[in-house]
Amino acid sequence: DADVTQTPRNRITKTGKRIMLECSQTKGHDRMYWYRQDPGLGLRLIYYSFDVKDINKGEISDGYSVSRQAQAKFSLSLESAIPNQTALYFCATSDYREGGKLFFGSGTQLSVL
Amino acid sequence: SQELEQSPQSLIVQEGKNLTINCTSSKTLYGLYWYKQKYGEGLIFLMMLQKGGEEKSHEKITAKLDEKKQQSSLHITASQPSHAGIYLCGADRQGGSEKLVFGKGTKLTVNP
Repeated sequence: DADVTQTPRNRITKTGKRIMLECSQTKGHDRMYWYRQDPGLGLRLIYYSFDVKDINKGEISDGYSVSRQAQAKFSLSLESAIPNQTALYFCATSDYREGGKLFFGSGTQLSVL
Repeated sequence: SQELEQSPQSLIVQEGKNLTINCTSSKTLYGLYWYKQKYGEGLIFLMMLQKGGEEKSHEKITAKLDEKKQQSSLHITASQPSHAGIYLCGADRQGGSEKLVFGKGTKLTVNP
């Protein structure tokens, strides 16, 4: 089983719908992240959490919200999806002792029509 | 402008050839990370460089950090089809923050 699991793997939705992407990890890491990847723009940080009570905005948090339900679970929500949120979304984790060594999930391809 | 510029954007090589991918930062580097992404999969950590002049190797992949030039290079020796994928560099802007910014990636194709 994967150490960092994202669900769903693919999702097609319509403009205005609420969407939740889920991430769970078995690595025992405190730190979790959500990134989005767009062709030509690379990876950009949406939100990150250094422990269950800590939530921080990344560089592109507008239109998104997150919830850290437990050490192992970090979900990303799009309250009202719009087409320019079509992207590949990645969850990642890290151990505070290993700096920027991130462990990524396999990604969720989201399409907003 | 992009903080991390990777070059080339894409690269096609014949199996067995050597190749180099560069990552140049417009700001001070506190740490430089290399990741590899295969199609449909997440990123896999390759190497971390933190000190100027530092060089690390893993199998046939070598990465170097030139702190003065704010640049890192990734060199693959005797490329194989298994090396194909997208290589991304990531930089730590604050030293230990773990909030990495990434380059746009270099797509590598290795033809048998």
